[in-house]
Amino acid sequence: DQQVKQNSPSLSVQEGRISILNCDYTNSMFDYFLWYKKYPAEGPTFLISISSIKDKNEDGRFTVFLNKSAKHLSLHIVPSQPGDSAVYFCAASLYNTDKLIFGTGTRLQVFP
Amino acid sequence: DAGVTQSPTHLIKTRGQQVTLRCSPKSGHDTVSWYQQALGQGPQFIFQYYEEEERQRGNFPDRFSGHQFPNYSSELNVNALLLGDSALYLCASSLGLWDRGPPGEQYFGPGTRLTVT
Repeated sequence: DQQVKQNSPSLSVQEGRISILNCDYTNSMFDYFLWYKKYPAEGPTFLISISSIKDKNEDGRFTVFLNKSAKHLSLHIVPSQPGDSAVYFCAASLYNTDKLIFGTGTRLQVFP
Repeated sequence: DAGVTQSPTHLIKTRGQQVTLRCSPKSGHDTVSWYQQALGQGPQFIFQYYEEEERQRGNFPDRFSGHQFPNYSSELNVNALLLGDSALYLCASSLGLWDRGPPGEQYFGPGTRLTVT
């Protein structure tokens, strides 16, 4: 049972434009949502998180939006840069647990 | 400041054998979690260690066991290896447990690639 889903395996965006990565979840008890970025041969790197009591969190070029009624979150990267090319994982956690439940990832390619 | 380190980088084992993977957490961190990432999938939580005890466990059989040492480093042991155990094994470190604050900034190591033949 895949509780966190990333239905787009890949996304290609031109440099300077907006990248939008999407994530859906099924468990309404999730308390925190996180985005991680992964380069080849490296471990995932934490990007940004959002509490279930908020609907938006912004950090520089990265903004995460949460729509609880739709059980959907998205990561916006503006402007996109070639260095953003990586695999992005959406993850969720339940209240009072450190266990992260990951999606399958979306490979983002930013071209010049 | 050294980040999370894992050894070995790559490992090839035969079905039925046993394997031990090692992890050193980021300096200042006292909690270690282990994840399994199969090809084309996201990481799956195996278990978490804090104060040398297993605190949380994912949906993995007893063949998967672990240990945490007083210096906070950790080992993951897998017995009776199956072909399906072939994966990237990731270690993540953090400070404290969930009930001391929100999750999130778990720092991951580069992983150990295990191939079972």
